[in-house]
Amino acid sequence: GAGVSQSPSNKVTEKGKDVELRCDPISGHTALYWYRQSLGQGLEFLIYFQGNSAPDKSGLPSDRFSAERTGGSVSTLTIQRTQQEDSAVYLCASSLDRGMGALAKNIQYFGAGTRLSVL
Amino acid sequence: QKEVEQDPGPLSVPEGAIVSLNCTYSNSAFQYFMWYRQYSRKGPELLMYTYSSGNKEDGRFTAQVDKSSKYISLFIRDSQPSDSATYLCAMKGAGKSTFGDGTTLTVKP
Repeated sequence: GAGVSQSPSNKVTEKGKDVELRCDPISGHTALYWYRQSLGQGLEFLIYFQGNSAPDKSGLPSDRFSAERTGGSVSTLTIQRTQQEDSAVYLCASSLDRGMGALAKNIQYFGAGTRLSVL
Repeated sequence: QKEVEQDPGPLSVPEGAIVSLNCTYSNSAFQYFMWYRQYSRKGPELLMYTYSSGNKEDGRFTAQVDKSSKYISLFIRDSQPSDSATYLCAMKGAGKSTFGDGTTLTVKP
């Protein structure tokens, strides 16, 4: 079956513009995560959606960042008034987070990411 | 101080070498320990998964967890150029996973 799909794969934008990044998780996965990865750095947690629960937004770096998940499936990460320091790879991951034992709950499946460059 | 600290690297070894990648952590609630591999311009993919303390072997890869020392390791035997990638440790308790910053490994033919 299809894995996690992210679009666009690359995005170049001008400082001050808004951007929208899209994530299509694996069908049936209830949990969805957004991470940011700067060059040579680890994964910076941004936001976590789990089923119908309120999202965990504790990782969003500023109020310019927001995300939504419609119908428990597709998610969009929006960055308003982009700044040069927003340039990074934005990764989306999904997981089952329930059901068939601990292994299924904890494995995150990642998309290939959106490489954002803010000029 | 970060909850998870990973040996920063980068690491460069000749083909056939044994590689040791390591992480330490501070949160005693972590029960699930994972290693992800990330090739250049790709997303991370799960490589190894262990629950609680002990060893787990899968081919040339061995994951080791020592909860008493709060220390985990990934060993790669007979390393191959195709093993060249960034390796990220990840840990989880009841909440979301916490990732290390990654170690970049280059295996030279």
